[in-house]
Amino acid sequence: QLHLQESGPGLVKPSETLSLSCSVSGGSIDSIFYYWGWIRQPPGKGLEWIGNRYYSGNTYYNPSLKSRVTISVDTAKNQFSLKLDSVTAADTAIYYCASTGSWLFDVWGQGALVTVSS
Amino acid sequence: QSVLTQPSSVSGTPGQRVTISCFGSSSIMSNNFVYWYRQYPGTAPKLLIYKNNQRPSGVPDRFSGSKSGTSASLAISGLRSEDEADYHCAVRDDSLSGVVFGGGTKVTVL
Repeated sequence: QLHLQESGPGLVKPSETLSLSCSVSGGSIDSIFYYWGWIRQPPGKGLEWIGNRYYSGNTYYNPSLKSRVTISVDTAKNQFSLKLDSVTAADTAIYYCASTGSWLFDVWGQGALVTVSS
Repeated sequence: QSVLTQPSSVSGTPGQRVTISCFGSSSIMSNNFVYWYRQYPGTAPKLLIYKNNQRPSGVPDRFSGSKSGTSASLAISGLRSEDEADYHCAVRDDSLSGVVFGGGTKVTVL
């Protein structure tokens, strides 16, 4: 049973870089059977897809965030990470990591609230 | 503004049947599957329906999904108090290798 857990700072200053990690247990980060994604949810709003990282190394991002986003994998730690540059208050949200195995985003982490404020 | 359009809220009384719609453009909805997620307050979303109308193991058959043209629907029959939650539709756009979500619908059990 795959389990995901987000970690990272809960407070980031404007113009700085948001960095989050997602630890994977119950499966291998370099398995061909999964791909990994990040989704966020501003307070009181809907879900917004950030990007996906595939086994092949191919990565796809939301066009609205593409210029600021990087999703990478650390096979030694069995985790994947999100970096979002030049953040503003509009980037304040709960950030979820999720995996796609059999179906789209069939396993989610519990979420991590990140507030952008000075 | 979300790419997929859902009503902001839907309500019903216990035992009733309610439906949630999800509208998108033909380029998004054609040839792509629709997924539905349920989210209780303060918790992560959970997959409820995959590939338009399939239920993962453990999801009761009170929940059913359908898709026709540029719209999809999630129906909840025999509404219960525990169905009070937010419901989100999503489409994986295989041509762009991206995912789009609806704005979410809050279901209230009166």
